[in-house]
Amino acid sequence: KAGVTQTPRYLIKTRGQQVTLSCSPISGHRSVSWYQQTPGQGLQFLFEYFSETQRNKGNFPGRFSGRQFSNSRSEMNVSTLELGDSALYLCASKETGADTQYFGPGTRLTVL
Amino acid sequence: GNSVTQMEGPVTLSEEAFLTINCTYTATGYPSLFWYVQYPGEGLQLLLKATKADDKGSNKGFEATYRKETTSFHLEKGSVQVSDSAVYFCALSRPVSSGSARQLTFGSGTQLTVLP
Repeated sequence: KAGVTQTPRYLIKTRGQQVTLSCSPISGHRSVSWYQQTPGQGLQFLFEYFSETQRNKGNFPGRFSGRQFSNSRSEMNVSTLELGDSALYLCASKETGADTQYFGPGTRLTVL
Repeated sequence: GNSVTQMEGPVTLSEEAFLTINCTYTATGYPSLFWYVQYPGEGLQLLLKATKADDKGSNKGFEATYRKETTSFHLEKGSVQVSDSAVYFCALSRPVSSGSARQLTFGSGTQLTVLP
């Protein structure tokens, strides 16, 4: 099976702009989670989607949002970008009822 | 709440040396425990996992045993290679609510450099 894919791999934006990142899970996986990785805060959970519904959310401001489509693909959106949003954004998928999450290569977002 | 405390890095070893990276956790109940590895410029790869007390996860020569009594999941390898150079993350997964929702809580990561 193909692994988790994320597009784009790299993005450069300026403060105040918005950005949309995309994630395609492993075939058959219906749960998609998003994580933010920064040198200062490490790996932090953003949210999880399952069957097009957000069922868990981390401690991030409302500027961070996401959605999931009927084919389980997911997007996350960050509006009004701030310098501190510069990070590696990782998407992970898992099978229903399972514990193990499988990660994609990440999208490197740089905010100037 | 849930937390994972991981050995501070960086760790520098010579090839064929023995590796231990300490990991302890705080969580209610019985979380699943994981080690992930991240190579430069890449995402996280699952290295091994254990889902209950006394389970031993193993992969590619790496091992870790789920110790409920000491709330630990230390990573070990008997003989490291240059290709093992990477950042290693300990993590736990607990149910968030009823159903199969899960959230990973990560340690801060340990940078390992293996010299030839």
